Amino acid sequence: DSGVTQTPKHLITATGQRVTLRCSPRSGDLSVYWYQQSLDQGLQFLIQYYNGEERAKGNILERFSAQQFPDLHSELNLSSLELGDSALYFCASTRGDFVYNEQFFGPGTRLTVL
Amino acid sequence: DQQVKQNSPSLSVQEGRISILNCDYTNSMFDYFLWYKKYPAEGPTFLISISSIKDKNEDGRFTVFLNKSAKHLSLHIVPSQPGDSAVYFCAASARGNDMRFGAGTRLTVKP
Repeated sequence: DSGVTQTPKHLITATGQRVTLRCSPRSGDLSVYWYQQSLDQGLQFLIQYYNGEERAKGNILERFSAQQFPDLHSELNLSSLELGDSALYFCASTRGDFVYNEQFFGPGTRLTVL
Repeated sequence: DQQVKQNSPSLSVQEGRISILNCDYTNSMFDYFLWYKKYPAEGPTFLISISSIKDKNEDGRFTVFLNKSAKHLSLHIVPSQPGDSAVYFCAASARGNDMRFGAGTRLTVKP
């Protein structure tokens, strides 16, 4: 158990809909990272938040947005969903701002868009 | 842009033998490299890392080698055990900023 929790575990929705994925980092960790893993693909970095502020942006679509709340949990919002958005979404956390140490990953949320 | 590449999608080895997983990268600014292991239905877990100032780092049965001139790193597992069967991701970061992952190599260790 990494100490990172993600909800829900599974999500099935239709094209055009909007969903919110939630992540709670390990206790004491200030950074949260979001990743997307599509079928047979590696992990694509989406976005990082550190202590409530956006820190780094990767390959995140404009239809996706994220935020980190004062209690440090984070939410990833996916809107106008398309079939291609079906993927595993992972969040990870680290104590500091920089990724010089291991990231602790949650178990992921599997999103299926029908 | 695939800045981190794992060209072998799968690898099968016999228990007790050496497993060698390879990773190539294109961005010369990468200065920190990590390997993660992932079991089905779980998130990736950290295995071992190496800074660009080193060319080797060892942790028990796991050794990572870095060849900066070739922009290549490899993970050696000796001896391989059936419990090592998983997907292995190599990852790289530049100055501590966003992590780039390879597509993963599925290792199967046969008893």
